[in-house]
Amino acid sequence: KQEVTQIPAALSVPEGENLVLNCSFTDSAIYNLQWFRQDPGKGLTSLLLIQSSQREQTSGRLNASLDKSSGRSTLYIAASQPGDSATYLCAVSKNYGGSQGNLIFGKGTKLSVKP
Amino acid sequence: NAGVTQTPKFQVLKTGQSMTLQCAQDMNHNSMYWYRQDPGMGLRLIYYSASEGTTDKGEVPNGYNVSRLNKREFSLRLESAAPSQTSVYFCASSVRPLAKNIQYFGAGTRLSVL
Repeated sequence: KQEVTQIPAALSVPEGENLVLNCSFTDSAIYNLQWFRQDPGKGLTSLLLIQSSQREQTSGRLNASLDKSSGRSTLYIAASQPGDSATYLCAVSKNYGGSQGNLIFGKGTKLSVKP
Repeated sequence: NAGVTQTPKFQVLKTGQSMTLQCAQDMNHNSMYWYRQDPGMGLRLIYYSASEGTTDKGEVPNGYNVSRLNKREFSLRLESAAPSQTSVYFCASSVRPLAKNIQYFGAGTRLSVL
């Protein structure tokens, strides 16, 4: 059974710092991996999606990497801002079986960026 | 530019009552999903509909039923609510299950069962 783990559970950094959020998964047979952002009381917003054949994706100050063989992904946030404060969720999608495409989520990392 | 719309936003039920959570998307997506989010548990898939006319169980389907009413709408029904169903419920949609599969989420329904 696929399990997704995110470390740390919470992180507090001063504004301007570069930071890395970690995600690991137990079954490397994934179709893709997504990083989401969730603001308090709100739904999820997709930030980056990495196909299993890709190594990384970039969007603005965000860079996500994928090492499928070791079951790891990182989300790098450059020059953090208070507006980046949110919970970041990692999710993987299976590439086999009857529920292809369904996402398995980690529990998230709650990020706080202090001014 | 509504995306995925969920109603209601908040609901309080008594044990044993029934209710239906509504979800509609205006992006012409084929696949739709229902998740629940509980503290310390992350998001878990309840049911999904890969395409209009099909529905399948996810990880935690017990106590729920779904209806894919048409391509736009996917509803979740609690027949006899229990306190264990207190949670935040999210609906999501995507173009296809195995495409790029970016899932777009609604704002959620916060349900309390007393």
